[in-house]
Amino acid sequence: DQQVKQNSPSLSVQEGRISILNCDYTNSMFDYFLWYKKYPAEGPTFLISISSIKDKNEDGRFTVFLNKSAKHLSLHIVPSQPGDSAVYFCAASESNFGNEKLTFGTGTRLTIIP
Amino acid sequence: DGGITQSPKYLFRKEGQNVTLSCEQNLNHDAMYWYRQDPGQGLRLIYYSQIVNDFQKGDIAEGYSVSREKKESFPLTVTSAQKNPTAFYLCATGRGDGGTQYFGPGTRLLVL
Repeated sequence: DQQVKQNSPSLSVQEGRISILNCDYTNSMFDYFLWYKKYPAEGPTFLISISSIKDKNEDGRFTVFLNKSAKHLSLHIVPSQPGDSAVYFCAASESNFGNEKLTFGTGTRLTIIP
Repeated sequence: DGGITQSPKYLFRKEGQNVTLSCEQNLNHDAMYWYRQDPGQGLRLIYYSQIVNDFQKGDIAEGYSVSREKKESFPLTVTSAQKNPTAFYLCATGRGDGGTQYFGPGTRLLVL
């Protein structure tokens, strides 16, 4: 069963506007969440993370929001730039329980339209 | 120059052949991981190792084997028992604390 879900396979956004990527999870033991960006034929690049003790973490143009009651997190990119076009993966772990495995979603392909 | 290197970038396997993918890191991370990515799917964990001479199966370990004789190296062997080996293989490292993992550039394995 898919414990981390990214229900939108693709998203297109105008350059300069806000991109919002969504992720849902079912495992209530997850306490650490990450977003990765991936270009074709390359390894994923870590973008930003958030611990379950927070509901928001910001790093430059990237902000991650966590809603624990809804088991939902989102990544906001503002303003969106052409170089942001990539596949974005959401991942989660049970770090406080000594389980360091990351569980990944299936990814969302973001296309920034110039 | 710190980082994770994977070789080769492309690898071809013949039927019934075992092949070994290399992963080396100089980040001094304790933990190393192997993932597989298939089109339209997320990354799935094959094997991971938290310390030298110890490793655990991930979600899809069948048909694969690993070794961890050195902290810097975590090679993955795709055996002939793996019936669908064509995929993009990613090695990652981490501090082993359930936090961020960092990925290498990947190896694409193709079956002839």
